[in-house]
Amino acid sequence: EDQVTQSPEALRLQEGESSSLNCSYTVSGLRGLFWYRQDPGKGPEFLFTLYSAGEEKEKERLKATLTKKESFLHITAPKPEDSATYLCAVQAIRNNDMRFGAGTRLTVKP
Amino acid sequence: KAGVTQTPRYLIKTRGQQVTLSCSPISGHRSVSWYQQTPGQGLQFLFEYFSETQRNKGNFPGRFSGRQFSNSRSEMNVSTLELGDSALYLCASRGIDHYEQYFGPGTRLTVT
Repeated sequence: EDQVTQSPEALRLQEGESSSLNCSYTVSGLRGLFWYRQDPGKGPEFLFTLYSAGEEKEKERLKATLTKKESFLHITAPKPEDSATYLCAVQAIRNNDMRFGAGTRLTVKP
Repeated sequence: KAGVTQTPRYLIKTRGQQVTLSCSPISGHRSVSWYQQTPGQGLQFLFEYFSETQRNKGNFPGRFSGRQFSNSRSEMNVSTLELGDSALYLCASRGIDHYEQYFGPGTRLTVT
């Protein structure tokens, strides 16, 4: 069965303190790995899709990387507005549903 | 382009009742998926519709059903509501040949 595990569950950073979020996965035939950001009471907002090991994508202070077993979301010099829950999801080639991890709740203090 | 819209945004129902939620996808998107999000279970896949046909279904009881119309709008129905059905119900759409899904704001369902 496909599995997605995110760590840590919660992370508190000072503004400007860079860090990484981890997403470990097991899937039979990866179609894609997705990162989303979710603010309280809102739907997830799409950030990145990664398709193959070695791929990297960047957007502002965020950078996502992918290996055959895990993905990292690196946050460089975070700001308080980066505070949110970050969700990782995998999609297998054999079907179209996404399996989500439980998320990492990030808090950035000014 | 307008994003995914869901109505209603909030709903309070009593155990045993049924409820219908509505989702309008991004213009041009023909795939619509539904998810249930709870604090304990996280985001769980319910089903996906494409061109009015259900293509995939998650592990939920038959009380959860859906349909899609010719204009790609989708509805989700839950019959005989239980307290455990209280959740944020999210709809997501995606375009052809794109795998990322775009989510709506969700419908917060409370069952009392």
